[in-house]
Amino acid sequence: DAKTTQPPSMDCAEGRAANLPCNHSTISGNEYVYWYRQIHSQGPQYIIHGLKNNETNEMASLIITEDRKSSTLILPHATLRDTAVYYCIVREETSGSRLTFGEGTQLTVNP
Amino acid sequence: NAGVTQTPKFQVLKTGQSMTLQCAQDMNHNSMYWYRQDPGMGLRLIYYSASEGTTDKGEVPNGYNVSRLNKREFSLRLESAAPSQTSVYFCASKKGGGAYGEQFFGPGTRLTVL
Repeated sequence: DAKTTQPPSMDCAEGRAANLPCNHSTISGNEYVYWYRQIHSQGPQYIIHGLKNNETNEMASLIITEDRKSSTLILPHATLRDTAVYYCIVREETSGSRLTFGEGTQLTVNP
Repeated sequence: NAGVTQTPKFQVLKTGQSMTLQCAQDMNHNSMYWYRQDPGMGLRLIYYSASEGTTDKGEVPNGYNVSRLNKREFSLRLESAAPSQTSVYFCASKKGGGAYGEQFFGPGTRLTVL
């Protein structure tokens, strides 16, 4: 699976959009981009995933650049409960069941 | 619908003791996983089971064994616990047997080995 690079930490004001970047410059054509988050002391939670088109669900939007070398997770109206570590993961469908978590981005939403 | 449940929530062992961490899911998922998470680090895959009756090693399998008892349950055993196995252990499940799709995680078991 391709390696990902994320900033170690970010801050966001409550009610504003949180934009979390992820670089995956070695991504291959059949690799998906997944985002998970982990709120302190809890198990990771799935947020969204995509291949090359932008995706949106009830939690977030995922914007993938045209060359697929980077992506941005957008939380449109961040709340205090969105404070968590956010993991960007790149994996291919044929990689078995491996889900490799890096160090992620600690997002802190401030009141 | 409880999702993924894990027992126990907390455990303290002495070096050399053995124990089994239990995991169960009620979503009729095919795949199940065991991860460990050390302070300040991401999750690392220990073992996984793509379907009932099959298990495979992940990144850090040494010192652990697993059993896929049935479709619902996937247990992780430490035969002789070591301080290096102090960690938080997460179980997860996924609907399909391949790589695609989201994983659902349990609340974790916090294990300390003295």
